Amino acid sequence: GNSVTQMEGPVTLSEEAFLTINCTYTATGYPSLFWYVQYPGEGLQLLLKATKADDKGSNKGFEATYRKETTSFHLEKGSVQVSDSAVYFCALISSGSARQLTFGSGTQLTVLP
Amino acid sequence: KAGVTQTPRYLIKTRGQQVTLSCSPISGHRSVSWYQQTPGQGLQFLFEYFSETQRNKGNFPGRFSGRQFSNSRSEMNVSTLELGDSALYLCASSLGPRDGQDTQYFGPGTRLTVL
Repeated sequence: GNSVTQMEGPVTLSEEAFLTINCTYTATGYPSLFWYVQYPGEGLQLLLKATKADDKGSNKGFEATYRKETTSFHLEKGSVQVSDSAVYFCALISSGSARQLTFGSGTQLTVLP
Repeated sequence: KAGVTQTPRYLIKTRGQQVTLSCSPISGHRSVSWYQQTPGQGLQFLFEYFSETQRNKGNFPGRFSGRQFSNSRSEMNVSTLELGDSALYLCASSLGPRDGQDTQYFGPGTRLTVL
């Protein structure tokens, strides 16, 4: 079946530091890949997505590249802000008939001023 | 365009009761999915609906059920509540189930507490 493995947290960084959150996946076919972010007390917000190999998703300074050869979709940001503190989830939808998201366990990011 | 809305935002119930949660998708979206989020199990898929039909169901007992109406709004019901049903229940909508339509957008969730 499908699975997503995310870097264990929590991650604590100083403002303006470089962020990487690792994500690898197992899936049949050619899944679409997503990063969602969850702020305290809220639902999930779509951060970025990529639907085919070598696609780069980007939004709000965050980027992730769909690497089929390494089955990875690592999230990066060059300079984090205190407002980026949240839980980040990597997820996939496989290319079969089931359109359910399979999520990683989430990575808590705290950015200190 | 308004986002996904869920009502109520918070619920407190006691064991053995039943509960109904409601979800209104983004205008024009015809697929609705439900997920349960708990600290121990993370995010788990409950059901997916499209055109009033359940397309997929996750690995949850029959106490969990749902439906979708002709205007794409959806409800989920949990009967005979157990303490372990305490969770954040998230609804997500997408244009449809086909490639290119299946990006899911989430509502704020309903926080259910079972005492």
